[in-house]
Amino acid sequence: ETGVTQTPRHLVMGMTNKKSLKCEQHLGHNAMYWYKQSAKKPLELMFVYSLEERVENNSVPSRFSPECPNSSHLFLHLHTLQPEDSALYLCASSRRIGPSDTQYFGPGTRLTVL
Amino acid sequence: QKEVEQDPGPLSVPEGAIVSLNCTYSNSAFQYFMWYRQYSRKGPELLMYTYSSGNKEDGRFTAQVDKSSKYISLFIRDSQPSDSATYLCAMSELTGGGNKLTFGTGTQLKVEL
Repeated sequence: ETGVTQTPRHLVMGMTNKKSLKCEQHLGHNAMYWYKQSAKKPLELMFVYSLEERVENNSVPSRFSPECPNSSHLFLHLHTLQPEDSALYLCASSRRIGPSDTQYFGPGTRLTVL
Repeated sequence: QKEVEQDPGPLSVPEGAIVSLNCTYSNSAFQYFMWYRQYSRKGPELLMYTYSSGNKEDGRFTAQVDKSSKYISLFIRDSQPSDSATYLCAMSELTGGGNKLTFGTGTQLKVEL
């Protein structure tokens, strides 16, 4: 068990729906991340939070909206998504945001947009 | 050109074989090199982590980094069916936004009985 949990594990939504993905880390880490994993493509970093402050936003469309209320919780709010947004969304955490700080991943939310 | 190139496989080997997985990269700013293993329907888990050029061994796994050639490898000795998974190489550089990991596409490995 990695200490990073994600809910829901599976989500099917229509293009007009609004939903949220939740991530919780039990490792006492200060940094949290959202990644997108699509078939045959590398993991794409979406957002980075350090001490609840967003430090990286990788040109992600505004239909994805992150929220980090505290260092243990991270949300990804979704609205008016497109079918090409269907993917595995992974949350990760690390002690700090240095290059030597290992990132620990959750199991992911498998998102399907109809 | 992608920053990190990794053969997606699939790679199928018999149990007990030595497996070699490789990645090449183009960005000289990468400082740390990692191998993650991802089982089906799970998130990636860190297997090996190296900084300098050379070899690092952990049980049946050996990670090798050659910064001059911009090439990293993961060797698995005495491969087991439980090693069947997708192996992702990842590299990090320190950017203004903090720790940015760049991943390869992953190599799917199947170890057959």
